Amino acid sequence: NAGVTQTPKFRVLKTGQSMTLLCAQDMNHEYMYWYRQDPGMGLRLIHYSVGEGTTAKGEVPDGYNVSRLKKQNFLLGLESAAPSQTSVYFCASSYASRRGYTFGSGTRLTVV
Amino acid sequence: QQQVKQSPQSLIVQKGGISIINCAYENTAFDYFPWYQQFPGKGPALLIAIRPDVSEKKEGRFTISFNKSAKQFSLHIMDSQPGDSATYFCAARGRDDKIIFGKGTRLHILP
Repeated sequence: NAGVTQTPKFRVLKTGQSMTLLCAQDMNHEYMYWYRQDPGMGLRLIHYSVGEGTTAKGEVPDGYNVSRLKKQNFLLGLESAAPSQTSVYFCASSYASRRGYTFGSGTRLTVV
Repeated sequence: QQQVKQSPQSLIVQKGGISIINCAYENTAFDYFPWYQQFPGKGPALLIAIRPDVSEKKEGRFTISFNKSAKQFSLHIMDSQPGDSATYFCAARGRDDKIIFGKGTRLHILP
């Protein structure tokens, strides 16, 4: 059982480049989330989805876009990467509201 | 605007001692309070959670104490072990389906 799988695990981008982070879950979870983790800042919600075809903004959505075309996948896009987006990105999913999350192992992104 | 305040930022405890991490929240609409444990290079993992109609929940060596009137909750780790060394996050979830995390506590248990 894979749980939540994030690809890639590591990536280095140049300022202005674009990329997409993929999150896939095999638990038939309705809810999916993207967080970023920075030293001393904890986990901050970027965007989330409460079901296939839906997305919503979190605390720090600027500079990111998301799509949930299939229930099992949640994509996070950076259209024009900036050094401030250097971070570790975590995807999470949950079966329903008021339930704990299952997190992926993270993507470490460096923008130079 | 930080809605969940966590303290301390770091904590060092002797093996066998009690580790205590505290959190406070402001939004009375929060109705689910999980704690997550994260080891280096890994994603956070759900450790234990509580709902506000319960004052305490215990799972093994881990206990959550919840004070609804003070809007505070804490994690107690009894008989702390070196394997408990990790970063711990408290969190709170509201009716909008979002979980808001504290900034984390880095716990180190001395052998």
